[in-house]
Amino acid sequence: DGGITQSPKYLFRKEGQNVTLSCEQNLNHDAMYWYRQDPGQGLRLIYYSQIVNDFQKGDIAEGYSVSREKKESFPLTVTSAQKNPTAFYLCAVSEGVVHEQYFGPGTRLTVT
Amino acid sequence: AQSVTQLDSQVPVFEEAPVELRCNYSSSVSVYLFWYVQYPNQGLQLLLKYLSGSTLVKGINGFEAEFNKSQTSFHLRKPSVHISDTAEYFCAVSVLQGGKLIFGQGTELSVKP
Repeated sequence: DGGITQSPKYLFRKEGQNVTLSCEQNLNHDAMYWYRQDPGQGLRLIYYSQIVNDFQKGDIAEGYSVSREKKESFPLTVTSAQKNPTAFYLCAVSEGVVHEQYFGPGTRLTVT
Repeated sequence: AQSVTQLDSQVPVFEEAPVELRCNYSSSVSVYLFWYVQYPNQGLQLLLKYLSGSTLVKGINGFEAEFNKSQTSFHLRKPSVHISDTAEYFCAVSVLQGGKLIFGQGTELSVKP
């Protein structure tokens, strides 16, 4: 991590509520990414953004939304439409061309 | 499309023994290759990367990996592991033009005393 902040570390919500996860970076990198991690399933890409005010769906975007209004911020909203939201969520950044990504510390979301 | 296969989901090993974590990829174009390490409840940390040049890449914590184009492999090795190396390790691949990182399923390395 270092330069990438995700807050909070742990988050608890009731089913049916929307929740927003924060990701902030001070590395001045253009690209930002959101991944979901479940036991035994590796990392799955939710959304990514290569530039401010633009973002693309990843492999599992249903039930999630994002915004990229500032270069340093890429918040992820987990909506009530997401069927199984309990997971570990990781934010990453990269300079772009080389695609070497640097990860934040993660947020563990539990929905009951 | 690109894909990554980590051949072992779990690798138990005794302290000070050598270890190899295997990674194979499939791609019809040139790729960049990465290994990441994840300690419990933390984000991923870059161990090493292959972009071009020498096929033997050295990384942090005494790890190294060798890119083998003919076998489409990028296996991670360490000659002598420590208890502190216990973690999950991810191999990832990216294509040179506009590609995203594709991750393997991960290998859980467990170092026992």
